[in-house]
Amino acid sequence: GENVEQHPSTLSVQEGDSAVIKCTYSDSASNYFPWYKQELGKRPQLIIDIRSNVGEKKDQRIAVTLNKTAKHFSLHITETQPEDSAVYFCAARENYGGATNKLIFGTGTLLAVQP
Amino acid sequence: DTGVSQDPRHKITKRGQNVTFRCDPISEHNRLYWYRQTLGQGPEFLTYFQNEAQLEKSRLLSDRFSAERPKGSFSTLEIQRTEQGDSAMYLCASSLMGLDTGELFFGEGSRLTVL
Repeated sequence: GENVEQHPSTLSVQEGDSAVIKCTYSDSASNYFPWYKQELGKRPQLIIDIRSNVGEKKDQRIAVTLNKTAKHFSLHITETQPEDSAVYFCAARENYGGATNKLIFGTGTLLAVQP
Repeated sequence: DTGVSQDPRHKITKRGQNVTFRCDPISEHNRLYWYRQTLGQGPEFLTYFQNEAQLEKSRLLSDRFSAERPKGSFSTLEIQRTEQGDSAMYLCASSLMGLDTGELFFGEGSRLTVL
């Protein structure tokens, strides 16, 4: 089955700096890669996602890149703000026989944005 | 609130007791997932349903765990003879199959503490 690794586990940046979180996955058949943000005591919420037929996607200060050959994808947050502080999870969706399957999550990155 | 709701939000029980959690998904969603999350880890897949059919169950899931979705709407997750290692946040999520991305919408979770 799919395995997702995520780095770093913690990341501290100054407000206004950029933050980058990286993930690798093992199953080349995986075709969908979302990123979830989880604030303390809250539910995980989708912030951006990318499909395997796209190399990059951007939404305001957030961007995701995907390298299918290397089987890794990254989250980029520019001009970080204190409200970006949270735990971020990457995930990969298994794809067996063309059917939509479950998401496999990384272990998370605790991002702290220092004002 | 039309999001995913879970009940109870917190449960404290003694080792050996049985516990049951309920999840009400977003009404039109046909897929329902259960994940478990421990401190510092990403959500770990337990099982998922499409309508009332349980399509997959994690190999890591003990036979003390059982889940049902009898009418294809709400779901229950029961843990029998609880152990201290079962202490975790149990997250429910739902999605609409057929959507290109299959975004998961999470509930707030049910936190289990086994004494």
